[in-house]
Amino acid sequence: AQSVTQLGSHVSVSEGALVLLRCNYSSSVPPYLFWYVQYPNQGLQLLLKYTTGATLVKGINGFEAEFKKSETSFHLTKPSAHMSDAAEYFCAVSGRGNNRLAFGKGNQVVVIP
Amino acid sequence: DTAVSQTPKYLVTQMGNDKSIKCEQNLGHDTMYWYKQDSKKFLKIMFSYNNKELIINETVPNRFSPKSPDKAHLNLHINSLELGDSAVYFCASSQGLAGGGYEQYFGPGTRLTVT
Repeated sequence: AQSVTQLGSHVSVSEGALVLLRCNYSSSVPPYLFWYVQYPNQGLQLLLKYTTGATLVKGINGFEAEFKKSETSFHLTKPSAHMSDAAEYFCAVSGRGNNRLAFGKGNQVVVIP
Repeated sequence: DTAVSQTPKYLVTQMGNDKSIKCEQNLGHDTMYWYKQDSKKFLKIMFSYNNKELIINETVPNRFSPKSPDKAHLNLHINSLELGDSAVYFCASSQGLAGGGYEQYFGPGTRLTVT
């Protein structure tokens, strides 16, 4: 079975500063990894995903994430935070042969002007 | 041209009532899901259908019954509602199974409040 750990439920970042959200996963098979964003009172929207190939993945809104197998990590970064980045961010994992998408507990990002 | 739609968006009802939430996707996807998001934002899979066949049925009370009349629709019926059922329910769809690495597209959610 797969699982995801996201530490620090609330993350505060100053406008213009680096956004870094950490995600560590556990999987017995090669993982498929996702980051989703949820804006207030909305559904989840895919930011980016890793399936195979290049380990540095670029997504929408200037976000990127790097798959590091040796560290079982898939951390999300954005060089410069914008007020519009205030939202809940979820890391998720699935794996070949497992039809469940396991979500982490999420990070609520607050952007300070 | 909403990809995944849910109705209603808000549902307020009393304990013991029966209610339904409807979901439709116009993406031509084969797989659909129901998730429950609790007050702490934790997302939990409830059910998944692939080509109208139930493939995931998590440890959900049998008061919850999904129905998929066709590949584009997945409805959720809840009998004898309880206070603990209050949550946001999300429908999602994907081109294929999660085990194939397919991304899921989420609806806007239905906020259920049981009083």
